[in-house]
Amino acid sequence: DAGVIQSPRHEVTEMGQEVTLRCKPISGHDYLFWYRQTMMRGLELLIYFNNNVPIDDSGMPEDRFSAKMPNASFSTLKIQPSEPRDSAVYFCASSLGLPRPLHFGNGTRLTVT
Amino acid sequence: QKEVEQNSGPLSVPEGAIASLNCTYSDRGSQSFFWYRQYSGKSPELIMFIYSNGDKEDGRFTAQLNKASQYVSLLIRDSQPSDSATYLCAVEISNTGNQFYFGTGTSLTVIP
Repeated sequence: DAGVIQSPRHEVTEMGQEVTLRCKPISGHDYLFWYRQTMMRGLELLIYFNNNVPIDDSGMPEDRFSAKMPNASFSTLKIQPSEPRDSAVYFCASSLGLPRPLHFGNGTRLTVT
Repeated sequence: QKEVEQNSGPLSVPEGAIASLNCTYSDRGSQSFFWYRQYSGKSPELIMFIYSNGDKEDGRFTAQLNKASQYVSLLIRDSQPSDSATYLCAVEISNTGNQFYFGTGTSLTVIP
């Protein structure tokens, strides 16, 4: 079991640029979650999918954020245009059914200058 | 009011002591409760989960759940320096579409 795989591990970009974060969930898991973590706000749920279908995106901060899950083994989180306040660690997590524990990827540390 | 609240700490205990971490939640529809450990710069990793009132033990860790008081805790016995980390409480609330809400975490330091 390779675990949840996220890429890139670190991303540094300039304000206004497009950023794409990628996630490969654990094979067979049917739920996928995107979280953002900052010191001030902790872990915030952005969006989650069940069987590749977005279920709740109420946590997505604004229209600059979008997420897709074209198939069971891949998801992307896109920020366009990026802003300095988007700087955070973004985690992807997956689970097999609910309520079941979430398995987290190693995260992507995003810095927007 | 936040869905899940934790004392941010920092909490310091001497090596070998019992560390007690507490978490309260606001939604009585909460059904599942999880404790995660997060080392600095790393991702959260699951320690324990509990669904029913009472205690659940796993090695040096004991999770305690009191749904009437909307309270869940984690006890770490014989604390070790390697237990120094941030501990996150997570609550799964089914009536909001199976969302997981995380507390902001309690920072624990075990002093050798």
